[in-house]
Amino acid sequence: GAGVSQSPRYKVAKRGQDVALRCDPISGHVSLFWYQQALGQGPEFLTYFQNEAQLDKSGLPSDRFFAERPEGSVSTLKIQRTQQEDSAVYLCAGQVGTGGVGELFFGEGSRLTVL
Amino acid sequence: KQEVTQIPAALSVPEGENLVLNCSFTDSAIYNLQWFRQDPGKGLTSLLLIQSSQREQTSGRLNASLDKSSGRSTLYIAASQPGDSATYLCAASRGGNKLVFGAGTILRVKS
Repeated sequence: GAGVSQSPRYKVAKRGQDVALRCDPISGHVSLFWYQQALGQGPEFLTYFQNEAQLDKSGLPSDRFFAERPEGSVSTLKIQRTQQEDSAVYLCAGQVGTGGVGELFFGEGSRLTVL
Repeated sequence: KQEVTQIPAALSVPEGENLVLNCSFTDSAIYNLQWFRQDPGKGLTSLLLIQSSQREQTSGRLNASLDKSSGRSTLYIAASQPGDSATYLCAASRGGNKLVFGAGTILRVKS
């Protein structure tokens, strides 16, 4: 596609529900990142994939958060047993290269509201 | 741990003014520094990327400078327009694959 596509754009979940957020990056982007952006704050790093390999998951806030990219293209961020503090916009970004080199291309994000 | 701070948090200027947004970072061992624009409800759009070996980058009416020794970057916007209204974020990379973002400067350009 022409850009990074994220779905759903908006998700409302009851506390305790599981949610899955999808990212469809630009074809050929080797690197894929997930960031979490709370209201009024800058994005915070969650996890990084190089192709299908999850090389860094140090930013995942708890073991309720899980991400995968099984075929090195589409990625899914799963949050189990959602809590109110998980409410945020979840941003996906892709990059042609690796090692933090080059421009990042962000999707429009998935806004999660946990009631 | 890298910390990035942006000043001011919000800025309102009349159309046509030149303006400067400031970004400071605590760890000078950065690989690059990037400036992004974010419109309400949207993702981030990359504006300028400055490698650690560079001092500045320019794109149209935008100019970003980097001073690693002082831990500062500035984004200069010339002849501001209402369409420039957005949140501007800076982010530092220490190589590897994480960007550390500031909280952003909310810019409003009044017509």
